[in-house]
Amino acid sequence: GDSVTQMEGPVTLSEEAFLTINCTYTATGYPSLFWYVQYPGEGLQLLLKATKADDKGSNKGFEATYRKETTSFHLEKGSVQVSDSAVYFCALSDPGLTGGGNKLTFGTGTQLKVEL
Amino acid sequence: DARVTQTPRHKVTEMGQEVTMRCQPILGHNTVFWYRQTMMQGLELLAYFRNRAPLDDSGMPKDRFSAEMPDATLATLKIQPSEPRDSAVYFCASGSDLQGFNQPQHFGDGTRLSIL
Repeated sequence: GDSVTQMEGPVTLSEEAFLTINCTYTATGYPSLFWYVQYPGEGLQLLLKATKADDKGSNKGFEATYRKETTSFHLEKGSVQVSDSAVYFCALSDPGLTGGGNKLTFGTGTQLKVEL
Repeated sequence: DARVTQTPRHKVTEMGQEVTMRCQPILGHNTVFWYRQTMMQGLELLAYFRNRAPLDDSGMPKDRFSAEMPDATLATLKIQPSEPRDSAVYFCASGSDLQGFNQPQHFGDGTRLSIL
């Protein structure tokens, strides 16, 4: 079945440091890939997405590139801020699943803590 | 911006009581998802609907949980009888697969449930 594997957290960084959160996946079909962010006390929010190989999703300084050859979708940001502290979830939507619907398969989430 | 609305935001009740959580999906969305989030288990998919029809509720304890969509603007998740182990944050999300499987899900802010 489909699965998403993320690096274990928490990840603790100093402000302005470079961020990488690794994400790899297995899927039956040709999936679309997503990163969601969850701030404390809130629901998950879409951060960025990519729908085909070599696509780069970007938003709020975050980027991730769909790498089909390595089945990866690593999240990066060049300079993190304290306000980026949150839990980040990698997810995929697989059109190979039967039954329809845009069901998502989520990773376990990676907590990011950014300190001054 | 259109939002998924969940009520109540917080619920504290005693073991054995019935709990009903409500969700208003974004207008025009045809898929609705219920998730449960705990520290131990992370984010779990309980059930989801497409065009108001249940597609998959395999993640839901059948003996006490039920999910319905009485109409396109309302989804409900009921627990009867509730137990302390049901304490969690319950999220509703909605989306649309009418334009393909690369559309994201949009999450509500959740219902924080505590069963005493």
